[in-house]
Amino acid sequence: AQTVTQSQPEMSVQEAETVTLSCTYDTSESDYYLFWYKQPPSRQMILVIRQEAYKQQNATENRFSVNFQKAAKSFSLKISDSQLGDAAMYFCAYYNGGSQGNLIFGKGTKLSVKP
Amino acid sequence: NAGVMQNPRHLVRRRGQEARLRCSPMKGHSHVYWYRQLPEEGLKFMVYLQKENIIDESGMPKERFSAEFPKEGPSILRIQQVVRGDSAAYFCASSVDRGDNYGYTFGSGTRLTVV
Repeated sequence: AQTVTQSQPEMSVQEAETVTLSCTYDTSESDYYLFWYKQPPSRQMILVIRQEAYKQQNATENRFSVNFQKAAKSFSLKISDSQLGDAAMYFCAYYNGGSQGNLIFGKGTKLSVKP
Repeated sequence: NAGVMQNPRHLVRRRGQEARLRCSPMKGHSHVYWYRQLPEEGLKFMVYLQKENIIDESGMPKERFSAEFPKEGPSILRIQQVVRGDSAAYFCASSVDRGDNYGYTFGSGTRLTVV
């Protein structure tokens, strides 16, 4: 069974600095998708960034980028120029594109941003 | 274009009562997924439905939980005879196609508290 592990329950970053959140996963599939979701105190789940496993190029969305290491099954999220509004829970998620169609989530990392 | 709408946002039930959670998918989305988030945990898949069909209910507890997505109206997650352990945030997501690999659109969730 596929699993997603986020080993950092909490992280902290100074405003304007860079922080990296870790995520590893376990799968025997070769084709799949990885996501980072942000959950602010409002509880809304917001898609931050998406990576297709067959693409070697790391995905980038403005200040958010990933370091996707397929062989190591690692998918870390880098937030550059951190802003106060980045403070939230961040969840890494895996989807194998198969018939089930469900996402598998890690337990999350709580990010605090210090002014 | 309204997003995924869930109501109520908060629901309090006494032990033994029934809880009904509603989810209206995004316009044009015919696939609905329910997830549960326990405190300090990531989201766990419960059930995947299309109009009038349950596609995958592998994450649903075998007793007291049921879900439907009728031809008309919202998807309903029903929990009968609630117990304290059912207290959680319940999220609904929707997608255009089965297993949307572009990432699902989530609602803001319903927080169920069983007292």
